[in-house]
Amino acid sequence: DAKTTQPTSMDCAEGRAANLPCNHSTISGNEYVYWYRQIHSQGPQYIIHGLKNNETNEMASLIITEDRKSSTLILPHATLRDTAVYYCIVRVHMEYGNKLVFGAGTILRVKS
Amino acid sequence: GAVVSQHPSWVICKSGTSVKIECRSLDFQATTMFWYRQFPKQSLMLMATSNEGSKATYEQGVEKDKFLINHASLTLSTLTVTSAHPEDSSFYICSASIFGNTIYFGEGSWLTVV
Repeated sequence: DAKTTQPTSMDCAEGRAANLPCNHSTISGNEYVYWYRQIHSQGPQYIIHGLKNNETNEMASLIITEDRKSSTLILPHATLRDTAVYYCIVRVHMEYGNKLVFGAGTILRVKS
Repeated sequence: GAVVSQHPSWVICKSGTSVKIECRSLDFQATTMFWYRQFPKQSLMLMATSNEGSKATYEQGVEKDKFLINHASLTLSTLTVTSAHPEDSSFYICSASIFGNTIYFGEGSWLTVV
């Protein structure tokens, strides 16, 4: 399984952009990068995913390097409610279905 | 986004008994469902992948006879923890997807075995 590496924790000031990095140097050409976040005692929430191109939606932007070995999730204007554990995951394709294998994630603390 | 619902949200059971947790996809038909468990301050650990109408595929180290998974329809999967012990107490989370598209997660179910 392609492994991801993320910083253990990060702090961000409220209203500023939060940039969360992720390394996935062993990613294969057809594997997608997914980002989820988990607020305490809840199920993970889907944020965004991408393959090669940069992606943007109402929650965040995803910047993937040209060699696809790393990516950055950008929350453009972080709020206190964005405090959560953020998981960068490479979706693994198996013959019986695609699966998400979670790493340790990054604890993002947004501070006022 | 798509909605995945779990029931019950929390359950307490006695040691030695079995407990069933349901996972439903409310507004889509899920070809694949996944079950995870999460201990406090740890990440999610994938337990098994189930496809509708076929046997679940368990991750290495997960006891298939203890954690029974049934995916009887495209909108329902169940996880039964058999002969539960206190060490089975955990947060159990399911997720669902349609043919490799985005995977959505349920709210999770807290199991406490006393």
